[in-house]
Amino acid sequence: GNSVTQMEGPVTLSEEAFLTINCTYTATGYPSLFWYVQYPGEGLQLLLKATKADDKGSNKGFEATYRKETTSFHLEKGSVQVSDSAVYFCALSDHNTDKLIFGTGTRLQVFP
Amino acid sequence: DTGVSQNPRHKITKRGQNVTFRCDPISEHNRLYWYRQTLGQGPEFLTYFQNEAQLEKSRLLSDRFSAERPKGSFSTLEIQRTEQGDSAMYLCASSLTGVNYNEQFFGPGTRLTVL
Repeated sequence: GNSVTQMEGPVTLSEEAFLTINCTYTATGYPSLFWYVQYPGEGLQLLLKATKADDKGSNKGFEATYRKETTSFHLEKGSVQVSDSAVYFCALSDHNTDKLIFGTGTRLQVFP
Repeated sequence: DTGVSQNPRHKITKRGQNVTFRCDPISEHNRLYWYRQTLGQGPEFLTYFQNEAQLEKSRLLSDRFSAERPKGSFSTLEIQRTEQGDSAMYLCASSLTGVNYNEQFFGPGTRLTVL
């Protein structure tokens, strides 16, 4: 069945450091891929998405590229801020139902 | 605020009791999803509705769980005879098919604690 695997956290970085959170997926067909973010005490928010191979999603300085050949959708940011501290979830969606299948989440902690 | 709302935000109950949660989606959104999230895990799909029709239920949804969306607007999720293993955050999301790749918008969740 469809599944998402993402790197375990926590990821601890200093402000302005480069961020990579790895995400790989297993799916039949061609799912859409997403990164969601959950800030402390808040609900899930869509951070970015890509709907087909080689698409790059981007938002708030974060980027991820849909790599079909490596079945990956790694999240990157060139310079993290303390305010980026949150839990990040990689997810894919089934094209028929749009139900989301999430990874286990990666906690990011950014220190000044 | 026109986002997805969920009530109650927190529920503490004793094992064996029944609980009901409510989700109000974004108006005009025709799809509504329920997910469950346990500590340290990502959300897991439970069920979804298109308008008032329940189109899919996960194997996670035992016979003690029932969900309804009677008029295609708000939805309720009921858990009968709660067990400690039901303790989790229950998330609701809604989407509008055909718009922006059916992006799902999530509510704040209902945190259930079964004692």
